[in-house]
Amino acid sequence: GENVEQHPSTLSVQEGDSAVIKCTYSDSASNYFPWYKQELGKRPQLIIDIRSNVGEKKDQRIAVTLNKTAKHFSLHITETQPEDSAVYFCAASPSGFQKLVFGTGTRLLVSP
Amino acid sequence: GAVVSQHPSRVICKSGTSVKIECRSLDFQATTMFWYRQFPKKSLMLMATSNEGSKATYEQGVEKDKFLINHASLTLSTLTVTSAHPEDSSFYICSARDPRNTDYGYTFGSGTRLTVV
Repeated sequence: GENVEQHPSTLSVQEGDSAVIKCTYSDSASNYFPWYKQELGKRPQLIIDIRSNVGEKKDQRIAVTLNKTAKHFSLHITETQPEDSAVYFCAASPSGFQKLVFGTGTRLLVSP
Repeated sequence: GAVVSQHPSRVICKSGTSVKIECRSLDFQATTMFWYRQFPKKSLMLMATSNEGSKATYEQGVEKDKFLINHASLTLSTLTVTSAHPEDSSFYICSARDPRNTDYGYTFGSGTRLTVV
């Protein structure tokens, strides 16, 4: 089945810096890759997603890139702010399934 | 947008008792819902896929008799933790897809923190 790995597990940056989180997946047939932000004790919130027929997608300060050949995708956050501090999860949806397989999470801390 | 309601948000129960958690899609019909378990500072682990009108599909290693799932209507799925033990203490969260959303659109419930004492 699908396996998603995520790095780094923790990431500390200064306000205004950029943050990059990387994920790799194992099932080449996976076709949907969302990123979620989860604050302590809260539900995951979708922040951006990308389908396998697209290489890059951007939404204001957030962007996601996908390399199907290498089977990895990355989240890029520019001009980070303290309110960006949270745990971020990547996920992949194996083709033909509706479920999501999540990465292990990255705890992002943005210091003022 | 699509809203998924989960209840209760917190529950404390004694060892050996059973606990039922409800997941409702409020403004859409969901033929499929998903149940996840999350340990502190860990990722979301898919437990099972709940299918309306049929048996749930459990992930490998998840005990079917321990975690009973019922999806009797297009807007409600329930997870019952039977004969709960302290090791079942965890954050349980459901998810559903709004079929009207062509961009997949997985929506999560607010989660249930279960503590077994």
